[in-house]
Amino acid sequence: QQPVQSPQAVILREGEDAVINCSSSKALYSVHWYRQKHGEAPVFLMILLKGGEQKGHEKISASFNEKKQQSSLYLTASQLSYSGTYFCGTEHGSSNTGKLIFGQGTTLQVKP
Amino acid sequence: GAVVSQHPSWVICKSGTSVKIECRSLDFQATTMFWYRQFPKQSLMLMATSNEGSKATYEQGVEKDKFLINHASLTLSTLTVTSAHPEDSSFYICSAAGTPSSYNEQFFGPGTRLTVL
Repeated sequence: QQPVQSPQAVILREGEDAVINCSSSKALYSVHWYRQKHGEAPVFLMILLKGGEQKGHEKISASFNEKKQQSSLYLTASQLSYSGTYFCGTEHGSSNTGKLIFGQGTTLQVKP
Repeated sequence: GAVVSQHPSWVICKSGTSVKIECRSLDFQATTMFWYRQFPKQSLMLMATSNEGSKATYEQGVEKDKFLINHASLTLSTLTVTSAHPEDSSFYICSAAGTPSSYNEQFFGPGTRLTVL
């Protein structure tokens, strides 16, 4: 079951903040966040595991609510380079299989 | 670190021909590689998971005889689209995951755009 991302699209001015949500109908083992620019490969941003472990870039933060089966990605003080489509990928089950199901994506546009 | 390459970056072929796409992890050993398909403005759809030295596991609805996957070494996986048809035109992306860890982050290749005439 594909996770649901919200919002579908967001437009920001440089310096503004944004939150992107990812919600699953199945129990989560982990949530992975990626950013993809047009015509390019997705770039790894962050992983959150159930139990609280996280790994990601310094300027990116995210939360993972196991009970609600949700994750949120926080983009603060946005820069022009943040523009792109953000995908969450969810991993299910009781162990890390590595197999991800990706959400439909959230398009972020940062304007000067 | 964690660089994944794909070759070719784009290919145009005639209907009925076969196309091979290579995915290489350049600076790490990839125990698992994944193949995705992405249509314009859509999400990444997992096609199959391959582990070095074993048969690929295909997702439901993906024809294993049409999309042949080989993971012959820890740095190379190939996807062959056999008897390609126009509906196979898409952006194919591979990703690689390294030595099993609790994180299992995937590193994506730059993708291959396939156009079947």
